[in-house]
Amino acid sequence: AAGVIQSPRHLIKEKRETATLKCYPIPRHDTVYWYQQGPGQDPQFLISFYEKMQSDKGSIPDRFSAQQFSDYHSELNMSSLELGDSALYFCASSRPNIRGVEQFFGPGTRLTVL
Amino acid sequence: AQTVTQSQPEMSVQEAETVTLSCTYDTSENNYYLFWYKQPPSRQMILVIRQEAYKQQNATENRFSVNFQKAAKSFSLKISDSQLGDTAMYFCAIPGDSGAGSYQLTFGKGTKLSVIP
Repeated sequence: AAGVIQSPRHLIKEKRETATLKCYPIPRHDTVYWYQQGPGQDPQFLISFYEKMQSDKGSIPDRFSAQQFSDYHSELNMSSLELGDSALYFCASSRPNIRGVEQFFGPGTRLTVL
Repeated sequence: AQTVTQSQPEMSVQEAETVTLSCTYDTSENNYYLFWYKQPPSRQMILVIRQEAYKQQNATENRFSVNFQKAAKSFSLKISDSQLGDTAMYFCAIPGDSGAGSYQLTFGKGTKLSVIP
């Protein structure tokens, strides 16, 4: 069965650089969530999309932006990177968009900021 | 706001034995769901089991079962016949409802389970 695809899997950036993380949800899934998991931490919600519209925002810095495209893939854009942005970034997708439906997680993108 | 508390940062169990991981939560809602996710060393997040709050019957999935106590807001995970592949971080989670059509998960801090051969 198809799974959530995230690219790149690993990314190394310098401080103040920009990064773009991509997420390809499971086919026909219309809802995407982004989570950030710092070292030794639990995942924290960043932002979500349903049917190409942003549905909610969590603890996402103003330096970050995201969107969902017409083919339902999503991109998380991160600018002015800081050391504290080093983390594992997960994308999760689901369908239908109702409470209690399993969110399928991608393998994550490990971002290291030097 | 919803909160999830896992009071056991680390646990260990002998292979083939049974172990129970604890989770308590707080929510003001009456109808909700609860999840246990597993994160093995690969860091992939995998759904283990799901419970619907309005269902009295505890959910089971093969060797995994829950003890759901709604009044106490407790949602523990029991793993029977533990296997080496069960070694992972386990997160208890509850999906929220922001009213904007988003059901993002709030996770507990996790319990690191080690299965000892």
